[in-house]
Amino acid sequence: TQLLEQSPQFLSIQEGENLTVYCNSSSVFSSLQWYRQEPGEGPVLLVTVVTGGEVKKLKRLTFQFGDARKDSSLHITAAQPGDTGLYLCAGEVGSSASKIIFGSGTRLSIRP
Amino acid sequence: DAGVIQSPRHEVTEMGQEVTLRCKPISGHDYLFWYRQTMMRGLELLIYFNNNVPIDDSGMPEDRFSAKMPNASFSTLKIQPSEPRDSAVYFCASSLGSTGTGPNEQFFGPGTRLTVL
Repeated sequence: TQLLEQSPQFLSIQEGENLTVYCNSSSVFSSLQWYRQEPGEGPVLLVTVVTGGEVKKLKRLTFQFGDARKDSSLHITAAQPGDTGLYLCAGEVGSSASKIIFGSGTRLSIRP
Repeated sequence: DAGVIQSPRHEVTEMGQEVTLRCKPISGHDYLFWYRQTMMRGLELLIYFNNNVPIDDSGMPEDRFSAKMPNASFSTLKIQPSEPRDSAVYFCASSLGSTGTGPNEQFFGPGTRLTVL
């Protein structure tokens, strides 16, 4: 069974600080996605990474896919209150390329 | 586009009652997914359809759960009989098929918060 463990589970930091969230597995994934979920809403896709070692940037967010395609990280620079939410990584499983499994999630809170 | 539409947004029912959750996917999307989210287990895939056909229902917890997709614009998830442990937020999501560079973006509805007393 493929599992995705995220750490930390909870993170509360001051506005302006930097942070990194991790997504780890013992299994290899063809691709990984990161979603953000706000209270009362469904998750929204932030990025998809498909190549080992790939780095993608989305404004203050930097996503990296591990060389062995077993892990990923999300780094936020100068966090803002608008970054608050539940961050979920998701790995592609099976051969259909449409089924994904979600990690356990990191709940991030940015204090003004 | 209105996005994925789910109804009801909130459902409170008593143990033993039948519950039906509804989903309208984004027009043109050929994949539809049903997920369940709880604090303990996170976001779990229950079942997904491609072109209205169920492809993988390995996540459906037990026979009390069933899902149908009679046409491209409507799907239901039914729980009969419901139990308190079914309390969760149920999400429907839809997507286009993969383009070969990883899974396509799944667009989630707002969810249905189910409480079984």
